[in-house]
Amino acid sequence: NAGVMQNPRHLVRRRGQEARLRCSPVKGHSHVYWYRQLPEEGLKFMVYLQKENIIDESGMPKERFSAEFPKEGPSILRIQQVVRGDSAAYFCASSPQERTGQLFFGSGTQLSVL
Amino acid sequence: QKEVEQDPGPLSVPEGAIVSLNCTYSNSAFQYFMWYRQYSRKGPELLMYTYSSGNKEDGRFTAQVDKSSKYISLFIRDSQPSDSATYLCAMDTGRRALTFGSGTRLQVQP
Repeated sequence: NAGVMQNPRHLVRRRGQEARLRCSPVKGHSHVYWYRQLPEEGLKFMVYLQKENIIDESGMPKERFSAEFPKEGPSILRIQQVVRGDSAAYFCASSPQERTGQLFFGSGTQLSVL
Repeated sequence: QKEVEQDPGPLSVPEGAIVSLNCTYSNSAFQYFMWYRQYSRKGPELLMYTYSSGNKEDGRFTAQVDKSSKYISLFIRDSQPSDSATYLCAMDTGRRALTFGSGTRLQVQP
């Protein structure tokens, strides 16, 4: 029974390029959350999605960031025109229902912007 | 002021010691309280999930919530080197997003 799968594990981009981070939730989970973790800081909520719907994007920067969770396939977090400040670990989590406390996290994607 | 405050450590203890990890918070709307453990270069994993004030025990782990003081604790008995990790407290108002502490790094020395 596979857990949350994220890829790539490491992503290096130059300033101005696009970054695409993928997340496949636990099989049967229809609720996906994206969090960002900066060094020495806790996880910061970015966005909560259900299949084909964005439910809460209150933690997403207004520009350059977008997320989707299509009917088929993984959830995608997309960052356009990356800047050095986007360098962080991005974690995806899933849950079988809306209660957010019991989240299953992936191993994260470490994004480095040169 | 952060909504959730957590001492970053590092906290170093000998094997077998009792470990006490703590968080304070300012938002009285938090209703659900969690502790996650995060190993290096891994995602967090849920250790304890509690609702309302009181104690909850699971094996060597005890979670304690004091809503009147806005203070939560995680106790680890008979600590093991495999417990060495970063421990994150997290809280939920019943909306959709968890608020995490910054994490406490624990090192258990064999």
